Amino acid sequence: AQKVTQAQTEISVVEKEDVTLDCVYETRDTTYYLFWYKQPPSGELVFLIRRNSFDEQNEISGRYSWNFQKSTSSFNFTITASQVVDSAVYFCALSGSGNTPLVFGKGTRLSVIA
Amino acid sequence: EPEVTQTPSHQVTQMGQEVILRCVPISNHLYFYWYRQILGQKVEFLVSFYNNEISEKSEIFDDQFSVERPDGSNFTLKIRSTKLEDSAMYFCASSPREVYNEQFFGPGTRLTVL
Repeated sequence: AQKVTQAQTEISVVEKEDVTLDCVYETRDTTYYLFWYKQPPSGELVFLIRRNSFDEQNEISGRYSWNFQKSTSSFNFTITASQVVDSAVYFCALSGSGNTPLVFGKGTRLSVIA
Repeated sequence: EPEVTQTPSHQVTQMGQEVILRCVPISNHLYFYWYRQILGQKVEFLVSFYNNEISEKSEIFDDQFSVERPDGSNFTLKIRSTKLEDSAMYFCASSPREVYNEQFFGPGTRLTVL
């Protein structure tokens, strides 16, 4: 069975600090996909990134970066120079190949204080 | 940019009543999903739908739930006799193809059962 663990329930940082959100996953599939979604207070799910299991290259998008390590089954997300607008709940998710359902972690609530 | 839409944004109903949540997936997409998020909890898969039939469903998706695509554009989730514990945010998602499992989420419908 697939499982996603986000051990950090809540994180609070001061604006401009860097913050890393942890995600550990379990799967027996050789082909799988990892995702991060942002859920602001308004409630919608905002897609941030999708990574497939064959691509371990780290990715950077502006202040966001992702570190995918198959050896530790982790897909961590770092926000550099955090801003108040980054305050949200962040979900890591996992799916198998094909159009299989996403399995979400419990989320990490990030609060960025001005 | 095409997007998944959901109506209503908020539905309030009395326990025991039937509700229908509506979704309009992106027009050329082939795979459709419903997910549920109880307040403060993680997003959970309910059901996936392809080629006019259910392709996969979770344990949550019991006989009280049904889905259909009545007219080639709408994708609906019906709850026959709502319970208090059905109160949640319901997200619809659609996906264009089998590769990459790229699921696009709608903004959600918040269902409140009184």
